[in-house]
Amino acid sequence: EVQLVQSGAEVKKPGESLKISCKGSGYSFTSYWIGWVRQMPGKGLEWMGIIYPGDSDTRYSPSFQGQVTISADKSISTAYLQWSSLKASDTAMYYCARGESGYPFDYWGQGTLVTVSS
Amino acid sequence: EIVMTQSPATLSVSPGERATLSCRASQSVSSNLAWYQQKPGQAPRLLIYGASTRATGIPARFSGSGSGTEFTLTISSLQSEDFAVYYCQQYNNWPAWTFGQGTKVEIK
Repeated sequence: EVQLVQSGAEVKKPGESLKISCKGSGYSFTSYWIGWVRQMPGKGLEWMGIIYPGDSDTRYSPSFQGQVTISADKSISTAYLQWSSLKASDTAMYYCARGESGYPFDYWGQGTLVTVSS
Repeated sequence: EIVMTQSPATLSVSPGERATLSCRASQSVSSNLAWYQQKPGQAPRLLIYGASTRATGIPARFSGSGSGTEFTLTISSLQSEDFAVYYCQQYNNWPAWTFGQGTKVEIK
């Protein structure tokens, strides 16, 4: 069974750093892309970026380029999304999802809620 | 960036009735269009891909149509579990995928 399991909810202060994770299982982790999607409170879905764990090829949405860093450790089948300096506006639910060229996100993680507040 | 526009923002439908949701792309995405369903507190779930192919386990009352820039999701007879928010997504412009803003299907 394909599963993407994300790390737990985080509460941080503005200016702090954060790295959240997404662990894949039940499939070949290095053969599919992992994307990250933001959902701000009460709002829609925003595609942030995507990584291919097989070779760490990473692409970002222009809206998120320079704001976050996406990485992966294929040895433990885990993808990451990180911030170096959080802002209150980063408060959102973040989802990881599996995808590939020519096919949409078919499996999703359960989401990680990030709350940034002083 | 390809902009996806969904209409209406909210659709009020009675159980058992038909619901028709629209999605328009700012430029052609061929048939590389997906629909997702999201219920409160849950992750999105893939319903339709390739504009008209149901994902595994999706009931036949969900159907998709269209190509190019105009797409439709139809729910033939709404069940109580279908009241949710629906998003379209284009995956033609790899890897710069974009979502529509969503249509909320609520009980009338």
